[in-house]
Amino acid sequence: DAKTTQPTSMDCAEGRAANLPCNHSTISGNEYVYWYRQIHSQGPQYIIHGLKNNETNEMASLIITEDRKSSTLILPHATLRDTAVYYCIVSGSGNTGKLIFGQGTTLQVKP
Amino acid sequence: DTGVSQDPRHKITKRGQNVTFRCDPISEHNRLYWYRQTLGQGPEFLTYFQNEAQLEKSRLLSDRFSAERPKGSFSTLEIQRTEQGDSAMYLCASSLVPLIRDEAFFGQGTRLTVV
Repeated sequence: DAKTTQPTSMDCAEGRAANLPCNHSTISGNEYVYWYRQIHSQGPQYIIHGLKNNETNEMASLIITEDRKSSTLILPHATLRDTAVYYCIVSGSGNTGKLIFGQGTTLQVKP
Repeated sequence: DTGVSQDPRHKITKRGQNVTFRCDPISEHNRLYWYRQTLGQGPEFLTYFQNEAQLEKSRLLSDRFSAERPKGSFSTLEIQRTEQGDSAMYLCASSLVPLIRDEAFFGQGTRLTVV
């Protein structure tokens, strides 16, 4: 079973920040938080991952709470092409690729 | 294009027939994974290889399923005596361990329809 809980769906206005929450209250000390997204009819795409510090890359920012029990993926300026299912996954380092997906959050970016 | 290619992209087969899918990972990647995804669900892990060795198989992988990676490069997934419940998207992913960017690259999948 997935170790994370995400809202089923969210809407976001184009150009605004999209904030996608994830609860992972049973995360272990050596487990990372990964985010992938899946655009319709494509394979999942890696976005970002982190252990305990906040992370930022060219796609998104990841904010992890101090107790590591939850995190938020931030897409700073959502575009229509960001409409996708976003998966939050908890996995041990070195285990990359064997990912336990939940049902994810369907993000709809609207004009 | 992630660099992971899967063939065919679509397959329609009659119940009871055997089917085989192929995955070509990114060339230097030593790990290769197979997943299955049904409509409205997230991908489910099936099995993975480190080079040519199959290191783990999910209980979802029944005896009718077999996967190989004979030379540590491409992989095949065969389903024997297909059933309607096998209809799904079959996804392949690859990664490099020790990790470089700590991410898995997925192909676009093979969509199987069993009629």
